[in-house]
Amino acid sequence: GENVEQHPSTLSVQEGDSAVIKCTYSDSASNYFPWYKQELGKRPQLIIDIRSNVGEKKDQRIAVTLNKTAKHFSLHITETQPEDSAVYFCAASKSTNAGKSTFGDGTTLTVKP
Amino acid sequence: EPEVTQTPSHQVTQMGQEVILRCVPISNHLYFYWYRQILGQKVEFLVSFYNNEISEKSEIFDDQFSVERPDGSNFTLKIRSTKLEDSAMYFCASSASADGYTFGSGTRLTVV
Repeated sequence: GENVEQHPSTLSVQEGDSAVIKCTYSDSASNYFPWYKQELGKRPQLIIDIRSNVGEKKDQRIAVTLNKTAKHFSLHITETQPEDSAVYFCAASKSTNAGKSTFGDGTTLTVKP
Repeated sequence: EPEVTQTPSHQVTQMGQEVILRCVPISNHLYFYWYRQILGQKVEFLVSFYNNEISEKSEIFDDQFSVERPDGSNFTLKIRSTKLEDSAMYFCASSASADGYTFGSGTRLTVV
């Protein structure tokens, strides 16, 4: 089955700096890669996703890059703000049943004001 | 914006008891999912449900678990003979198509 590894497990940055979180996956058939932000005690919220037919996607301060050959994808947050502090999860699945996702272990991002 | 709603938000149950967690997916969605998240850990896929039957399930989803769509609006997860290690957040999710999904607010299950 699919295996997703996520690094780092914790990340602390100064407000205004950029943050990068990386994930690797094992199943070359995976083609849907969402990123979730989860605040304490709340549901995971989709912040951005990418499909294997593109290499990069951007939404304001958030971008995701995908390298299918190397089987890794990364989340980039620019101009970080204290409200970006949360746990971020990557996931991988096949678009034929995207909900059958394998999640990474999560990255706790702390943005210091 | 439509939301997936789950009830109850918190359920406490005695070990060995059966619990039913309820979910109301977004109304025009056809694909339904359950996930588990043990405190401080990652989200784990349990089961997907489409066209009134289970389409895929994980190794976690053994005979202790079952799902049902009893009517046109609800989607339930039943856990029989609950164990201490079943304590977790359980999230329902739904989607209109096979790609992409929206999480519900979650039910925190505490087994004592």
